[in-house]
Amino acid sequence: DADVTQTPRNRITKTGKRIMLECSQTKGHDRMYWYRQDPGLGLRLIYYSFDVKDINKGEISDGYSVSRQAQAKFSLSLESAIPNQTALYFCATEGQNYEQYFGPGTRLTVT
Amino acid sequence: QKEVEQNSGPLSVPEGAIASLNCTYSDRGSQSFFWYRQYSGKSPELIMSIYSNGDKEDGRFTAQLNKASQYVSLLIRDSQPSDSATYLCAVNRGGYSTLTFGKGTMLLVSP
Repeated sequence: DADVTQTPRNRITKTGKRIMLECSQTKGHDRMYWYRQDPGLGLRLIYYSFDVKDINKGEISDGYSVSRQAQAKFSLSLESAIPNQTALYFCATEGQNYEQYFGPGTRLTVT
Repeated sequence: QKEVEQNSGPLSVPEGAIASLNCTYSDRGSQSFFWYRQYSGKSPELIMSIYSNGDKEDGRFTAQLNKASQYVSLLIRDSQPSDSATYLCAVNRGGYSTLTFGKGTMLLVSP
Protein backbone atom coordinates (compact mmCIF):
# COMPACT_ATOMS: atom_id res chain seq x y z
CA ASP A 1 0.00 0.00 0.00
CA ALA A 2 1.12 3.54 -0.76
CA ASP A 3 2.50 5.51 2.17
CA VAL A 4 0.77 8.75 1.11
CA THR A 5 -2.66 8.58 -0.48
CA GLN A 6 -4.88 11.27 -1.93
CA THR A 7 -8.56 11.27 -2.78
CA PRO A 8 -10.05 11.91 -5.20
CA ARG A 9 -7.48 11.36 -7.95
CA ASN A 10 -9.46 13.34 -10.48
CA ARG A 11 -12.26 15.83 -9.96
CA ILE A 12 -14.22 18.10 -12.21
CA THR A 13 -16.32 20.72 -10.47
CA LYS A 14 -18.16 23.92 -11.29
CA THR A 15 -17.30 27.47 -10.37
CA GLY A 16 -18.56 28.38 -6.92
CA LYS A 17 -18.71 24.83 -5.56
CA ARG A 18 -16.97 23.85 -2.34
CA ILE A 19 -14.58 20.95 -2.71
CA MET A 20 -12.37 19.00 -0.33
CA LEU A 21 -9.21 17.11 -1.21
CA GLU A 22 -8.06 14.54 1.31
CA CYS A 23 -4.63 13.22 2.18
CA SER A 24 -3.70 10.29 4.42
CA GLN A 25 -0.30 8.93 5.34
CA THR A 26 1.02 5.85 7.08
CA LYS A 27 4.61 7.06 7.42
CA GLY A 28 4.08 8.39 10.94
CA HIS A 29 5.41 11.84 9.99
CA ASP A 30 4.30 14.92 11.89
CA ARG A 31 4.86 17.37 9.03
CA MET A 32 2.48 17.54 6.10
CA TYR A 33 2.18 19.86 3.12
CA TRP A 34 -0.17 20.85 0.31
CA TYR A 35 1.20 22.05 -3.04
CA ARG A 36 -0.28 22.94 -6.37
CA GLN A 37 1.55 22.56 -9.65
CA ASP A 38 0.83 24.49 -12.82
CA PRO A 39 2.72 24.19 -16.11
CA GLY A 40 5.69 26.54 -16.10
CA LEU A 41 5.14 27.64 -12.49
CA GLY A 42 6.58 24.69 -10.65
CA LEU A 43 5.42 23.54 -7.23
CA ARG A 44 3.87 26.21 -5.04
CA LEU A 45 3.16 25.76 -1.35
CA ILE A 46 -0.43 26.32 -0.25
CA TYR A 47 -0.48 25.29 3.44
CA TYR A 48 1.66 23.26 5.77
CA SER A 49 1.40 21.70 9.20
CA PHE A 50 4.28 20.78 11.49
CA ASP A 51 2.02 18.83 13.85
CA VAL A 52 -1.65 18.31 14.65
CA LYS A 53 -1.96 21.65 16.45
CA ASP A 54 0.04 23.67 13.92
CA ILE A 55 -1.24 25.16 10.64
CA ASN A 56 0.68 27.65 8.50
CA LYS A 57 -0.06 29.53 5.31
CA GLY A 58 2.19 29.03 2.32
CA GLU A 59 2.83 31.40 -0.55
CA ILE A 60 -0.58 30.96 -2.21
CA SER A 61 -3.13 30.30 0.55
CA ASP A 62 -5.85 32.71 -0.63
CA GLY A 63 -9.00 30.82 -1.60
CA TYR A 64 -7.93 27.68 0.29
CA SER A 65 -8.30 26.33 3.82
CA VAL A 66 -7.01 23.22 5.55
CA SER A 67 -7.82 20.92 8.41
CA ARG A 68 -5.43 18.61 10.24
CA GLN A 69 -7.77 16.02 11.66
CA ALA A 70 -5.05 13.70 13.00
CA GLN A 71 -1.37 13.04 12.55
CA ALA A 72 -2.23 10.92 9.52
CA LYS A 73 -4.82 13.18 7.85
CA PHE A 74 -4.55 16.61 6.27
CA SER A 75 -7.39 17.98 4.12
CA LEU A 76 -7.45 20.90 1.70
CA SER A 77 -10.65 22.77 0.94
CA LEU A 78 -11.56 25.18 -1.80
CA GLU A 79 -14.39 27.22 -0.32
CA SER A 80 -15.69 28.52 -3.63
CA ALA A 81 -13.83 27.05 -6.57
CA ILE A 82 -12.78 29.28 -9.47
CA PRO A 83 -11.34 28.28 -12.86
CA ASN A 84 -7.80 29.48 -12.06
CA GLN A 85 -7.66 26.87 -9.30
CA THR A 86 -7.54 24.25 -12.02
CA ALA A 87 -4.24 22.48 -11.32
CA LEU A 88 -2.52 19.36 -10.10
CA TYR A 89 -2.55 19.19 -6.29
CA PHE A 90 -0.05 17.24 -4.24
CA CYS A 91 0.09 16.33 -0.59
CA ALA A 92 3.47 15.52 0.94
CA THR A 93 4.88 14.37 4.26
CA GLU A 94 8.32 15.20 5.61
CA GLY A 95 10.75 12.88 7.32
CA GLN A 96 13.20 13.68 10.09
CA ASN A 97 15.94 14.66 7.61
CA TYR A 98 13.63 17.10 5.79
CA GLU A 99 13.07 14.77 2.85
CA GLN A 100 9.53 14.95 1.48
CA TYR A 101 7.39 12.15 0.14
CA PHE A 102 4.56 12.96 -2.21
CA GLY A 103 1.15 11.46 -2.73
CA PRO A 104 -0.02 10.56 -6.25
CA GLY A 105 -1.80 13.88 -6.77
CA THR A 106 -5.30 15.11 -7.54
CA ARG A 107 -6.05 16.56 -10.93
CA LEU A 108 -8.69 19.24 -10.34
CA THR A 109 -10.61 20.97 -13.11
CA VAL A 110 -12.92 23.89 -12.33
CA THR A 111 -15.31 24.76 -15.16
CA GLN B 1 13.41 35.59 -1.07
CA LYS B 2 14.90 32.12 -1.17
CA GLU B 3 15.48 30.99 -4.75
CA VAL B 4 16.51 27.78 -6.44
CA GLU B 5 17.51 28.12 -10.06
CA GLN B 6 17.60 25.41 -12.68
CA ASN B 7 17.94 25.49 -16.44
CA SER B 8 14.53 24.50 -17.78
CA GLY B 9 16.02 22.51 -20.67
CA PRO B 10 15.30 20.30 -22.34
CA LEU B 11 18.65 18.64 -21.87
CA SER B 12 19.03 16.04 -24.59
CA VAL B 13 21.51 13.18 -24.25
CA PRO B 14 21.92 9.90 -26.14
CA GLU B 15 21.32 6.60 -24.42
CA GLY B 16 24.37 5.49 -22.46
CA ALA B 17 25.76 9.00 -21.98
CA ILE B 18 26.19 10.92 -18.74
CA ALA B 19 23.50 13.49 -18.02
CA SER B 20 24.56 16.44 -15.87
CA LEU B 21 21.87 18.50 -14.15
CA ASN B 22 22.72 21.65 -12.26
CA CYS B 23 21.11 23.80 -9.59
CA THR B 24 22.08 26.97 -7.75
CA TYR B 25 20.47 28.35 -4.61
CA SER B 26 20.44 31.74 -2.94
CA ASP B 27 20.08 30.92 0.77
CA ARG B 28 23.52 30.42 2.30
CA GLY B 29 21.89 28.88 5.36
CA SER B 30 20.64 25.90 3.37
CA GLN B 31 21.57 22.59 4.95
CA SER B 32 19.62 19.89 3.14
CA PHE B 33 19.55 19.28 -0.59
CA PHE B 34 17.37 16.96 -2.64
CA TRP B 35 16.79 15.79 -6.18
CA TYR B 36 13.36 14.63 -7.28
CA ARG B 37 12.34 12.97 -10.53
CA GLN B 38 8.92 13.74 -11.94
CA TYR B 39 7.35 12.01 -14.90
CA SER B 40 4.69 13.96 -16.76
CA GLY B 41 1.42 13.99 -14.84
CA LYS B 42 2.92 12.07 -11.92
CA SER B 43 4.12 13.08 -8.48
CA PRO B 44 7.74 13.98 -7.63
CA GLU B 45 9.81 11.02 -6.46
CA LEU B 46 12.81 11.49 -4.19
CA ILE B 47 15.94 10.05 -5.81
CA MET B 48 18.86 11.65 -3.93
CA SER B 49 19.52 13.60 -0.77
CA ILE B 50 22.82 15.22 0.23
CA TYR B 51 23.74 17.14 3.35
CA SER B 52 27.51 17.73 3.24
CA ASN B 53 30.00 18.97 0.68
CA GLY B 54 31.28 16.45 -1.79
CA ASP B 55 29.84 13.59 -3.77
CA LYS B 56 27.22 11.01 -2.85
CA GLU B 57 26.65 8.04 -5.12
CA ASP B 58 23.64 5.75 -5.34
CA GLY B 59 23.64 3.36 -8.26
CA ARG B 60 23.76 5.34 -11.50
CA PHE B 61 23.11 8.61 -9.66
CA THR B 62 25.71 10.92 -8.11
CA ALA B 63 24.80 14.09 -6.25
CA GLN B 64 27.47 16.74 -5.83
CA LEU B 65 27.31 19.61 -3.34
CA ASN B 66 29.48 22.72 -3.09
CA LYS B 67 28.13 25.00 -0.36
CA ALA B 68 30.77 27.68 -0.93
CA SER B 69 29.59 28.07 -4.51
CA GLN B 70 25.94 27.43 -3.57
CA TYR B 71 25.77 24.78 -6.22
CA VAL B 72 24.33 21.27 -6.31
CA SER B 73 24.35 18.89 -9.25
CA LEU B 74 23.07 15.48 -10.25
CA LEU B 75 24.93 13.16 -12.58
CA ILE B 76 23.14 10.24 -14.20
CA ARG B 77 25.51 7.66 -15.67
CA ASP B 78 24.52 5.27 -18.47
CA SER B 79 21.39 7.31 -19.17
CA GLN B 80 18.35 5.30 -20.25
CA PRO B 81 15.21 6.43 -22.12
CA SER B 82 13.32 5.67 -18.91
CA ASP B 83 15.31 8.49 -17.25
CA SER B 84 13.47 10.99 -19.46
CA ALA B 85 11.63 13.15 -16.95
CA THR B 86 11.77 16.51 -15.23
CA TYR B 87 14.30 16.71 -12.39
CA LEU B 88 13.52 19.04 -9.50
CA CYS B 89 16.17 20.44 -7.17
CA ALA B 90 15.02 21.33 -3.65
CA VAL B 91 16.79 22.89 -0.66
CA ASN B 92 15.94 23.47 3.00
CA ARG B 93 17.75 25.29 5.78
CA GLY B 94 16.19 22.97 8.32
CA GLY B 95 14.39 23.69 11.56
CA TYR B 96 11.00 25.25 10.88
CA SER B 97 11.81 26.25 7.30
CA THR B 98 10.05 24.80 4.31
CA LEU B 99 11.49 23.12 1.25
CA THR B 100 12.18 25.44 -1.70
CA PHE B 101 11.90 23.85 -5.13
CA GLY B 102 13.39 24.85 -8.43
CA LYS B 103 11.15 24.73 -11.47
CA GLY B 104 12.95 21.71 -12.83
CA THR B 105 15.05 20.63 -15.78
CA MET B 106 13.53 18.41 -18.43
CA LEU B 107 15.82 15.56 -19.47
CA LEU B 108 15.32 13.71 -22.75
CA VAL B 109 17.31 10.52 -23.36
CA SER B 110 17.17 9.35 -26.95
CA PRO B 111 17.61 5.66 -27.89
